[in-house]
Amino acid sequence: AQSVAQPEDQVNVAEGNPLTVKCTYSVSGNPYLFWYVQYPNRGLQFLLKYITGDNLVKGSYGFEAEFNKSQTSFHLKKPSALVSDSALYFCAVRDSTSGNTPLVFGKGTRLSVIA
Amino acid sequence: GAVVSQHPSWVICKSGTSVKIECRSLDFQATTMFWYRQFPKKSLMLMATSNEGSKATYEQGVEKDKFLINHASLTLSTLTVTSAHPEDSSFYICSASLDQLYEQYFGPGTRLTVT
Repeated sequence: AQSVAQPEDQVNVAEGNPLTVKCTYSVSGNPYLFWYVQYPNRGLQFLLKYITGDNLVKGSYGFEAEFNKSQTSFHLKKPSALVSDSALYFCAVRDSTSGNTPLVFGKGTRLSVIA
Repeated sequence: GAVVSQHPSWVICKSGTSVKIECRSLDFQATTMFWYRQFPKKSLMLMATSNEGSKATYEQGVEKDKFLINHASLTLSTLTVTSAHPEDSSFYICSASLDQLYEQYFGPGTRLTVT
């Protein structure tokens, strides 16, 4: 079975500081990993994904994530946080052997960037 | 990028009535669409997987007679909440996927309030 864990419900960071939102996963095969962001009363917006290749993935709005197979992690990072980054962030995984099945989402981490 | 729309974006209805929500992939054909429900400050709960031309696959605990899903074409899936009750009030989000290598593209969501 596939699963995703986002251990932090809330992350607070000062504007201009680096931010990290944590994600670990569990799949039986190779993982396809995704990060999405959700602003209030909106759908989910795609940030980045890891399918194969370079472990460091760069995405939208200056975000990046590093795939770490040994630690089964895919933490989201940004070197310098903006107040506008404040939102709800979801990590998601799909097993590469599972076909076109829905993504399995973590419970979400609320990021607050304080000016 | 691929765009998914939802209509309406919000709806208020009286208890006992039915409400239909449309999900459209605007610039691609989606053989598979997914319907999610999101409670306040919670993660997405997958309700069902909708395949064009066939019956939807519902997740455990989701009443298929209450949440009717139709996927009549490659660009349109509908969710009908029948005999709505106040506890059905929620944020409903659809998504579509090209195949397992691609991210799911999410609609903007529909907020349903049942009075």
